[in-house]
Amino acid sequence: RKEVEQDPGPFNVPEGATVAFNCTYSNSASQSFFWYRQDCRKEPKLLMSVYSSGNEDGRFTAQLNRASQYISLLIRDSKLSDSATYLCVATNTGNQFYFGTGTSLTVIP
Amino acid sequence: DVKVTQSSRYLVKRTGEKVFLECVQDMDHENMFWYRQDPGLGLRLIYFSYDVKMKEKGDIPEGYSVSREKKERFSLILESASTNQTSMYLCASSFFGQGDLNTEAFFGQGTRLTVV
Repeated sequence: RKEVEQDPGPFNVPEGATVAFNCTYSNSASQSFFWYRQDCRKEPKLLMSVYSSGNEDGRFTAQLNRASQYISLLIRDSKLSDSATYLCVATNTGNQFYFGTGTSLTVIP
Repeated sequence: DVKVTQSSRYLVKRTGEKVFLECVQDMDHENMFWYRQDPGLGLRLIYFSYDVKMKEKGDIPEGYSVSREKKERFSLILESASTNQTSMYLCASSFFGQGDLNTEAFFGQGTRLTVV
């Protein structure tokens, strides 16, 4: 079983829509979580950190549910520039990061 | 701003060649990582290092080795390049925050390696 699993999508949504991605993790000892954004042929860049129950930054909200071992990312009022692949990441007190395979989002005009 | 710099953006090498990919970070991070990324497979960890001269195998170390002689530099070596090592290679660094939890990983711009 993979450490982190995501629905690969693709998600195709109209501009202005709200879209949510879920991600599950298998290791209950995981303590830190992140969402990264990756544009085509570019490196992943940090979108949000999720250290406790959740985090909000403008149109983006990340939530953590430890009981069910999932993390979600909500994007409100989608923009064309939000089109990218979103990577879910878990880590624990070891040194490693565990990446999901990514969820592809395309925002359509 | 944290900067992680990989020596090449694009590389083309021949089968059997020894290939060196260099990565340098400027923020005194303890941890450095090498990943490869392939369509449908996501990021897969090749090797990581949590200190100078220390290295740990990741999920797919076969055919690769690494070197960390200085804290800021982490090199990935393909001993004898093969066509199945054609991929995007990403270097990353991080440090330990409160409670020895990993802070976020900062990535280099990636090296797209083609082995012919």
